[in-house]
Amino acid sequence: EAQVTQNPRYLITVTGKKLTVTCSQNMNHEYMSWYRQDPGLGLRQIYYSMNVEVTDKGDVPEGYKVSRKEKRNFPLILESPSPNQTSLYFCASSFSVAGQETQYFGPGTRLLVL
Amino acid sequence: GENVEQHPSTLSVQEGDSAVIKCTYSDSASNYFPWYKQELGKRPQLIIDIRSNVGEKKDQRIAVTLNKTAKHFSLHITETQPEDSAVYFCAASSPGYALNFGKGTSLLVTP
Repeated sequence: EAQVTQNPRYLITVTGKKLTVTCSQNMNHEYMSWYRQDPGLGLRQIYYSMNVEVTDKGDVPEGYKVSRKEKRNFPLILESPSPNQTSLYFCASSFSVAGQETQYFGPGTRLLVL
Repeated sequence: GENVEQHPSTLSVQEGDSAVIKCTYSDSASNYFPWYKQELGKRPQLIIDIRSNVGEKKDQRIAVTLNKTAKHFSLHITETQPEDSAVYFCAASSPGYALNFGKGTSLLVTP
């Protein structure tokens, strides 16, 4: 089944404790991205990747890191989480570069930073 | 960069009525305009999209219209049903650039 998966789905952590949210797609998509969703602010892009070893900042990259060592995986790293990073996070992928094709979203990761 | 404005932020209609959600964009180079639906607790999913070489596109009860001159596009849902209740996001992108999403419209269809 073609899908985007994320883990964990729910996470409670404390300020400063490094964490990684994994994202994997099995559709051989070139383009992958991370969004955060906050009430009243919609979906804001954190980072995106147009292919292996190619990543770039989105609209709200501060406090986040990403890597794209393999085509299927695009982990999101919070080196030192803070309470303002409490949010719902979505990974997404699409076949072609940039935003000109259907984006397939993962199920979301709800993060609470205390 | 691209700025996408979406209105209204909330919309309540009675079952069977039509719903219209409007978006404006700032970058005249934008040429791809998708709409995503997000049901409560679920992930966003594409429901319809339109490219700048087309003025209107329909898929059963949903349609999208695009006015390139005015830089706005709209989602029209006819004969609304309770299962249409969700948050709807518009988005825009230009070639080689990422999608920019609007802030979303929470649609409630009451029986």
